[in-house]
Amino acid sequence: GAVVSQHPSWVICKSGTSVKIECRSLDFQATTMFWYRQFPKQSLMLMATSNEGSKATYEQGVEKDKFLINHASLTLSTLTVTSAHPEDSSFYICSAPISSGRVAEQYFGPGTRLTVT
Amino acid sequence: GENVEQHPSTLSVQEGDSAVIKCTYSDSASNYFPWYKQELGKRPQLIIDIRSNVGEKKDQRIAVTLNKTAKHFSLHITETQPEDSAVYFCAASSSYIPTFGRGTSLIVHP
Repeated sequence: GAVVSQHPSWVICKSGTSVKIECRSLDFQATTMFWYRQFPKQSLMLMATSNEGSKATYEQGVEKDKFLINHASLTLSTLTVTSAHPEDSSFYICSAPISSGRVAEQYFGPGTRLTVT
Repeated sequence: GENVEQHPSTLSVQEGDSAVIKCTYSDSASNYFPWYKQELGKRPQLIIDIRSNVGEKKDQRIAVTLNKTAKHFSLHITETQPEDSAVYFCAASSSYIPTFGRGTSLIVHP
């Protein structure tokens, strides 16, 4: 089956620093990838849609200058949390869709636990 | 946009009992309804899905039903086991972007 990886699996950083999270589709190409944020005991909240070769599409309320997304190749999307603050501490998950007829199945990465101190 | 409601938020059952989780959606254009199981600190895993041209689908102890007219779909788990304990999310999509329910924490007591 399709595999999506994320790196790192967890990271601790100091307030004010930036953190980059990578999302890779290992055995398929993904022109689109999605980035989610999940707070404890809550659902997955879509942050942005990453588009290969073009700008990302951000959901309402998500600061594009704070959460920088780059999708430079068909297998890699990166999310950079800039000037991180404790409230950015969360579980970040990416997914990549594979179309099947008129629908798309999502393949999720294992997630990245970010803790900002 | 799509709005997905999921109930209950917590479900506690005894091993061997059945568990039912229900979701409703608002966008009549939604045509794909996956269900995910997420264990603590891990990625969501697809356990079953159903498309809008099907009313019911079953895979061993897991089944999903869809009522397009009423815009609701349900997950049924029979003969629950302790390893079924996890958070379950429903989702609905009409494009490549799913909208998730809030999740149901299923606890199966041995």
